[in-house]
Amino acid sequence: DAKTTQPTSMDCAEGRAANLPCNHSTISGNEYVYWYRQIHSQGPQYIIHGLKNNETNEMASLIITEDRKSSTLILPHATLRDTAVYYCIGLIRGNQFYFGTGTSLTVIP
Amino acid sequence: GAGVSQTPSNKVTEKGKYVELRCDPISGHTALYWYRQSLGQGPEFLIYFQGTGAADDSGLPNDRFFAVRPEGSVSTLKIQRTERGDSAVYLCASSLAALRASGANVLTFGAGSRLTVL
Repeated sequence: DAKTTQPTSMDCAEGRAANLPCNHSTISGNEYVYWYRQIHSQGPQYIIHGLKNNETNEMASLIITEDRKSSTLILPHATLRDTAVYYCIGLIRGNQFYFGTGTSLTVIP
Repeated sequence: GAGVSQTPSNKVTEKGKYVELRCDPISGHTALYWYRQSLGQGPEFLIYFQGTGAADDSGLPNDRFFAVRPEGSVSTLKIQRTERGDSAVYLCASSLAALRASGANVLTFGAGSRLTVL
């Protein structure tokens, strides 16, 4: 099972990089780490996922440590629309996303 | 459809009433998941379907909750004798195949159905 822990909240200045950490020390060797975000009153939105290598897409970058016990989601140039709750997610019981309480990111003008 | 559709978006009911929440997944997605989200909390797993069958219903809180997916597409979450503690946002998500630890599968979520039990 891959339960995750994240800081409760973070602030980031608009235009700066937002770095959101996640601890997933119980993750097993072949389990992916997923990141979703949830903007107020909407359903969770997929951002990115990774296994061992760092990943980048049009939304964000994901840096996974070599021991895979933690990862960091990077939003390179945060905008006000990036204000949301960000969830670092692993699987439990092999088929369920475990969300935890996530990190509430506030982008400040 | 282009995304996961959930209806109604808002439902207000009285304690003791029966409620049905509908989910229309992305066409072709065989796996369908229901989650419940209380205020200030992350989504919590309720049940998932692979095709027409409930593959894992371990998250359903009690026997007042039931879900069906008779034709392997649309799903309905049914709540009997609603209680105030059932008030939450009920989220539905679908994916091409069921999540598994060694594979990468992406869940696409709907906007949710907000249930308020008075």
